[in-house]
Amino acid sequence: DVKVTQSSRYLVKRTGEKVFLECVQDMDHENMFWYRQDPGLGLRLIYFSYDVKMKEKGDIPEGYSVSREKKERFSLILESASTNQTSMYLCASRTGQGSGYTFGSGTRLTVV
Amino acid sequence: QKEVEQNSGPLSVPEGAIASLNCTYSDRGSQSFFWYRQYSGKSPELIMFIYSNGDKEDGRFTAQLNKASQYVSLLIRDSQPSDSATYLCAGLNTGFQKLVFGTGTRLLVSP
Repeated sequence: DVKVTQSSRYLVKRTGEKVFLECVQDMDHENMFWYRQDPGLGLRLIYFSYDVKMKEKGDIPEGYSVSREKKERFSLILESASTNQTSMYLCASRTGQGSGYTFGSGTRLTVV
Repeated sequence: QKEVEQNSGPLSVPEGAIASLNCTYSDRGSQSFFWYRQYSGKSPELIMFIYSNGDKEDGRFTAQLNKASQYVSLLIRDSQPSDSATYLCAGLNTGFQKLVFGTGTRLLVSP
């Protein structure tokens, strides 16, 4: 089975901190995605990547950046954390052949 | 904006009944559809996908797709309390390479 691993399950950070969320997949998937999920708002796409060093903005990229230096790793960066970035962050990956996503277990981030 | 619409629920069914979860989509370019189950506090888990008109069965689950009506459904037979979760419907337009998710339907199965 494909495994998508997110480095932290729970994270508490202070306002203004730079935050790194890491995601690693083990099945050579081309496409990787970062979502946040909030009650009543569903899954919202932040950024995605089709290949190494490639990135595309999703629906809500403001306040975030990403890095994909290796195919298996896709990092989400909160440049200066704010309380409105408190959320569940979900990483996902897929092949490029019409398949669905496999999600990581999620990181619940609280910014205080 | 390409959208996938779901009723947020909750949909309440008694144990042993059939649960019917529905989803409509606006993008006629969507080729494949996916159903995810998400337990509270957990990440979504893929349970079914369908890309042809008609029905697709997998155990207690049946996915149905009607492209003319732009309608997707998931039937869960012999519902169990462990099926209580939020079910997310998602469509894939292969030209865009990313899924468009509905906001999910919460299912409650009572013993």
